Amino acid sequence: EIVMTQSPATLSVSPGERATLSCRASQSVSSNLAWYQQKPGQAPRLLIYGASTRATGIPARFSGSGSGTEFTLTISSLQSEDFAVYYCQQYNNWPPATFGGGTKVEIK
Amino acid sequence: EVQLVESGGDLVQPGGSLRLSCAASGFTFSIYSMNWVRQAPGKGLEWVSYISGSSNTIHYADSVKGRFIISRDNGENSLDLQMNSLRAEDTAVYYCARDRYGDYVSDYWGQGTLVTVSS
Repeated sequence: EIVMTQSPATLSVSPGERATLSCRASQSVSSNLAWYQQKPGQAPRLLIYGASTRATGIPARFSGSGSGTEFTLTISSLQSEDFAVYYCQQYNNWPPATFGGGTKVEIK
Repeated sequence: EVQLVESGGDLVQPGGSLRLSCAASGFTFSIYSMNWVRQAPGKGLEWVSYISGSSNTIHYADSVKGRFIISRDNGENSLDLQMNSLRAEDTAVYYCARDRYGDYVSDYWGQGTLVTVSS
C-alpha cells in the first residue's frame, strides 16, 4: 500500500497570501495524484487531478505540480472561502487509492 | 445537475448490520464506477469500496473485506453498501462518490450519512 504524507498538518496564512501545501508518496505514483478540498460539515470537493489539471469550475488561483513522489498544491492568493482542509490522493496503484492525512489551512 | 444522496446511517451495536444506500441522479449512472469513502470523526478520508458500472469489478479496503458488500442497481440508479459484523472503528460518515473515469478519482460526492457503532 502506498502511504501518502502531507505537510504541514496546519498552515496559518493571511488572506491574500500564498499557500503552499506538500504531499509525498512512499513510492512513485507518476502523475496520478488528486487534490480535494473539504470545508467543515461538507463533503470533499475535487480540485486537481493528474497532479496539475484543475477540475471543472475550480478557480485558477489553485494550481498543482509535481510527479513521482513529490507534489505541491499552491493557492496563489487565499480567499476567505479557501480556508479548509486539503487532502491528496494517489490513484496510481489501487486498490487501495490512498489519501494523505490532510493539511488544514487556517486564518493567521 | 449531478446529485448523490446517501441514507441509512444509524446507531448500531457492535456485531450488528446496517445497509447504506445512495440515490444518484443527473447523470447516466450505469456508465460510471462508484466509490464509498468514509471519514471517522475528526479524522481523514479512507476509501472503502469500489464498483464498476457493470458491477464486474469490485474492490474493498482490507479493513472491511469479508464484512462489507457493495452493490448497485442501474435500473434504479442506486448504490448500496451492506455492512456486517460492525466494529467501533467503523464509526464514520460514509460518502458515496462518483468515480471520474474508473480510476478512483471521485469527482462528485454526496453529503454523507453517519454510522455510529456503539453499545
